[in-house]
Amino acid sequence: NAGVTQTPKFQVLKTGQSMTLQCAQDMNHEYMSWYRQDPGMGLRLIHYSVGAGITDQGEVPNGYNVSRSTTEDFPLRLLSAAPSQTSVYFCASSYFGTQYFGPGTRLLVL
Amino acid sequence: TQLLEQSPQFLSIQEGENLTVYCNSSVFSSLQWYRQEPGEGPVLLVTVVTGGEVKKLKRLTFQFGDARKDSSLHITAAQPGDTGLYLCAGAYYGGATNKLIFGTGTLLAVQP
Repeated sequence: NAGVTQTPKFQVLKTGQSMTLQCAQDMNHEYMSWYRQDPGMGLRLIHYSVGAGITDQGEVPNGYNVSRSTTEDFPLRLLSAAPSQTSVYFCASSYFGTQYFGPGTRLLVL
Repeated sequence: TQLLEQSPQFLSIQEGENLTVYCNSSVFSSLQWYRQEPGEGPVLLVTVVTGGEVKKLKRLTFQFGDARKDSSLHITAAQPGDTGLYLCAGAYYGGATNKLIFGTGTLLAVQP
């Protein structure tokens, strides 16, 4: 099993550009989540999904969209990137309370 | 918004020393501890559920407060391999453990 995979690993965007962060898991977990990690802030929940076709907002959803068309994939879309979205983004899937995190995507918005 | 406060924020110690990291919060139904190494995602160490619960993982001892408002992680005889960011995360009553509230973390550096 590859576990949770994320692409790309690094990305530089200009303000106003859009992009999609990819996340995939091969463990057949129903629950998936997106977090952002900023210095001194811990991890904050952006959006989550309890199964294909079902998504909901977390603590900091503004500026981000998600969809869940399959169990395996949970992409995160930045609609119009802003410097405040510079962060490290982690995708996670969970099963019986244990969260399995991907390696992260480091995003810099100029 | 419920918060988890971790202390200390930074800790630099010599190999062989003992240390304790604290996590204080509002009441949670369960609390998890993660370790994160540079360039990687967090990895679950333990979940504590019952007030007063103590769990041991080799040299690591985790404790959940009687009132479920605080938790601690104690490391005995720290080794350089223990270096990393330690995060506590809580799931609150009525919520699911896939919706965790994370603390700000304690960055531990163990010098050889």
